[in-house]
Amino acid sequence: GQNIDQPTEMTATEGAIVQINCTYQTSGFNGLFWYQQHAGEAPTFLSYNVLDGLEEKGRFSSFLSRSKGYSYLLLKELQMKDSASYLCAAFKAAGNKLTFGGGTRVLVKP
Amino acid sequence: DTGVSQDPRHKITKRGQNVTFRCDPISEHNRLYWYRQTLGQGPEFLTYFQNEAQLEKSRLLSDRFSAERPKGSFSTLEIQRTEQGDSAMYLCASSPPGGGNEQYFGPGTRLTVT
Repeated sequence: GQNIDQPTEMTATEGAIVQINCTYQTSGFNGLFWYQQHAGEAPTFLSYNVLDGLEEKGRFSSFLSRSKGYSYLLLKELQMKDSASYLCAAFKAAGNKLTFGGGTRVLVKP
Repeated sequence: DTGVSQDPRHKITKRGQNVTFRCDPISEHNRLYWYRQTLGQGPEFLTYFQNEAQLEKSRLLSDRFSAERPKGSFSTLEIQRTEQGDSAMYLCASSPPGGGNEQYFGPGTRLTVT
């Protein structure tokens, strides 16, 4: 079976840093996606980690540890527009299946 | 650059009625997915097509749900005898041929069953 856990909600101040953790237990794992979803909109791709380690992309970075079944998304220099839900998803190549966590709603305050 | 499109964007129907949604993937994307998302939850996988072949189908997809992709381009998702529990956002996504696994999502169809 598949189990993806991430916190429900986080609050942070504009300009600060927030780290969203995600743990996963899956049968068959090929990589870990992070998506951003604003209320009422479609999820948009942020990052995809296959190998262990940190990948940096501008203000956003994502980390993966396959041995620990753990990932995090790091958002730096937070802006008001970063207020959204952040979805962690485990990818299984057999069936091309994404299994999503419940999402972490991040609220950025001035 | 045309993204994934879905039609309709909103659908209100009475319990027991049938509904059909359409998804047009990004041009030349041969892989297509349907997900269902309820408020405050992440998307749940429903089914996956590679070209016209339906290769994967979730246990969530009861006998009342059927999806098709007859020519390997657009896809339809039909729900028969709708129930109030079917109320959700139905998301379609597509990805290109080859090794890229990123899925590009459409805006979704919000279904409300009254």
